[in-house]
Amino acid sequence: AQSVTQLGSHVSVSEGALVLLRCNYSSSVPPYLFWYVQYPNQGLQLLLKYTSAATLVKGINGFEAEFKKSETSFHLTKPSAHMSDAAEYFCAVSEGTGGTSYGKLTFGQGTILTVHP
Amino acid sequence: EAQVTQNPRYLITVTGKKLTVTCSQNMNHEYMSWYRQDPGLGLRQIYYSMNVEVTDKGDVPEGYKVSRKEKRNFPLILESPSPNQTSLYFCASSTRQGIIIYEQFFGPGTRLTVL
Repeated sequence: AQSVTQLGSHVSVSEGALVLLRCNYSSSVPPYLFWYVQYPNQGLQLLLKYTSAATLVKGINGFEAEFKKSETSFHLTKPSAHMSDAAEYFCAVSEGTGGTSYGKLTFGQGTILTVHP
Repeated sequence: EAQVTQNPRYLITVTGKKLTVTCSQNMNHEYMSWYRQDPGLGLRQIYYSMNVEVTDKGDVPEGYKVSRKEKRNFPLILESPSPNQTSLYFCASSTRQGIIIYEQFFGPGTRLTVL
């Protein structure tokens, strides 16, 4: 069974500071990993994805994430936060090739990012 | 415009009154799925469908039904809603290659309140 843990339900940073949102996963087979962003009163939008190619993945709006198999992590980073980055962020995992739970996407609990001026 | 649409966007109903939330996508995606979002729990998958007439349970299927008679539509049915089904519901769709599901595109959400 797959699971996702996001450390910290709330993260607060100053504008211009580094953003680091943590995600750890468990999966019985090499996973596919995703980060989604949800702005207030909106649906989810894909930020980036890892599907067994490059371990450092670049996404939209200056975000990137690194897949570290040894640490079972897929942390999301952005070098310099902007006010417009304030939103809720979700990490998600689905089983890749060889998995038996194909079709199932498991989300973390979400991390609310607040950006202070 | 490529999109996933859901209707209604807001619904207040009473316990036991059957309801259907519709979901439609115009991207010719084979894969569709329903999620519910509750504070502190993230999104949890209710049901998913790999193709027409193929559906399977997610993590929280109790109290819900789905059908996939057409590729573009994937309605969520609550035969006898209860207050614990008060939640924000999202429909999503995706392309797939064999059993591999790629990034999902989400609808705007349906906020359901069951009194």
